[in-house]
Amino acid sequence: QVQLVQSGSEVKKPGASVKVSCEASGYTFTSHDFHWVRQAAGQGLEWLGWMNPNSGNTGYAQKFQGRVTMTRDTSISTAYMELSSLRSEDTAVYYCAREVPKYCSGGRCSRAYDYWGQGTLVTVSS
Amino acid sequence: DIQMTQSPSSLSASVGDRVTITCRASQNVRNHLNWFQQKPGQAPQLLIYTTSSLHAGVPSRFSGSGSGTSFTLTIRSLQPEDSATYYCQQNFNSPPVFGQGTRLEIK
Repeated sequence: QVQLVQSGSEVKKPGASVKVSCEASGYTFTSHDFHWVRQAAGQGLEWLGWMNPNSGNTGYAQKFQGRVTMTRDTSISTAYMELSSLRSEDTAVYYCAREVPKYCSGGRCSRAYDYWGQGTLVTVSS
Repeated sequence: DIQMTQSPSSLSASVGDRVTITCRASQNVRNHLNWFQQKPGQAPQLLIYTTSSLHAGVPSRFSGSGSGTSFTLTIRSLQPEDSATYYCQQNFNSPPVFGQGTRLEIK
């Protein structure tokens, strides 16, 4: 069955970087895009960006441009999200999610996140 | 960016009740609208995709409708395990913005 397993919790100091991994299993790793979403305590869901694991192409939310990098290692079916110049406001649970096309019409597909990782808590504190 | 607004922000209902949550988009997103359920300490889970299609394994008491800028998630015959926060998300344009969430409490 499809599984996305993320790396463990991290504690970082302001200004540092964090790299979160998301290991996929149960399907062909390169078949579907990965998206990253974060959630601060008691808050809603915030989208960070996406990565195509086949091409390596990425797209980032404007808010995180210049600070976020999404990569992958196809040999171990793992996607990564690195966030740099961390500040206290980056303290959150970070999720990876698999995006799949659901309904296609007129050359355009609606998509959905059908599987999610368990989340990785990143705490930024001095 | 497209803005997604959910209402209400929270609600309380009893087992067996019918509940409706509304999601409005600031622009036309056609039917590219998904709903997620999130329970405390868990990752969100896909409930409904493309406005009205039930994800595999989701109970049939959940349903979705709408198009364009106005969408609803309906839960009929509420069950205790439906206590959760519900999020809509548009995926018509990037960025794929989420609504702010609706917290559902079971009385």
